[in-house]
Amino acid sequence: DIQMTQSPSSLSASLGDTVTITCRASQSISDYLNWYQQKPGKAPKLLIYVVSNLQSGVPSRFSGSGSGTDFTLTISSLQPEDFATYYCQQSDSAPYSFGQGTRLEIK
Amino acid sequence: QVHLTESGGGVVQPGRSLRLSCTASGFTLSDHAMHWVRQAPGKGLEWVAVISSDGGKDYLADSVKGRFTISRDNSKSTLYLQMDSLRPEDTALYFCARDAGGYSGLDYFDHWGQGALVTVSS
Repeated sequence: DIQMTQSPSSLSASLGDTVTITCRASQSISDYLNWYQQKPGKAPKLLIYVVSNLQSGVPSRFSGSGSGTDFTLTISSLQPEDFATYYCQQSDSAPYSFGQGTRLEIK
Repeated sequence: QVHLTESGGGVVQPGRSLRLSCTASGFTLSDHAMHWVRQAPGKGLEWVAVISSDGGKDYLADSVKGRFTISRDNSKSTLYLQMDSLRPEDTALYFCARDAGGYSGLDYFDHWGQGALVTVSS
């Protein structure tokens, strides 16, 4: 099974900052890497699929990169609505594992 | 507008069974593979199961294999998760999620329900 590891587990930032979240797979997953945002009490929301493709309606301040085993999610010019928990997920092979999550908090 | 609604959650004793349902609207269920994902209280997301668009194939996580069964009734636009031999560690919010792909699943999730809470406790 593929293990997904995110870092950091939590992150404090200010409005307008740029932040980067890292996700590492235990083996190569090519470009089968997706990112979700989850706010308290809500279902997760797909942000980015296949490394760098923005889901419809997602602001362009969100971007993704990487390949193989190392991936990043970058959020530029943080807005109040961006403070949430972010998860990476691999869709290379079942079981389709998630990272443990990164909680982004307001500094 | 795509909408997924889970039902069937509740409090159940260890060793007992529960069946979750996920009713789909706003799209044709038979066009998509479907998944279940769960989230224990205060914890991260755990993928549980997938079923192909026609119901012919499925795959379950090791943590639930042999105890849970995923199925679907496309004529009723409904996805199911039959959970047997429940354990306290199965306590979680269970989400159904639509596969973003069509007949060939892409194995990531573009629409989610709001979840059904399952609590396993004596």
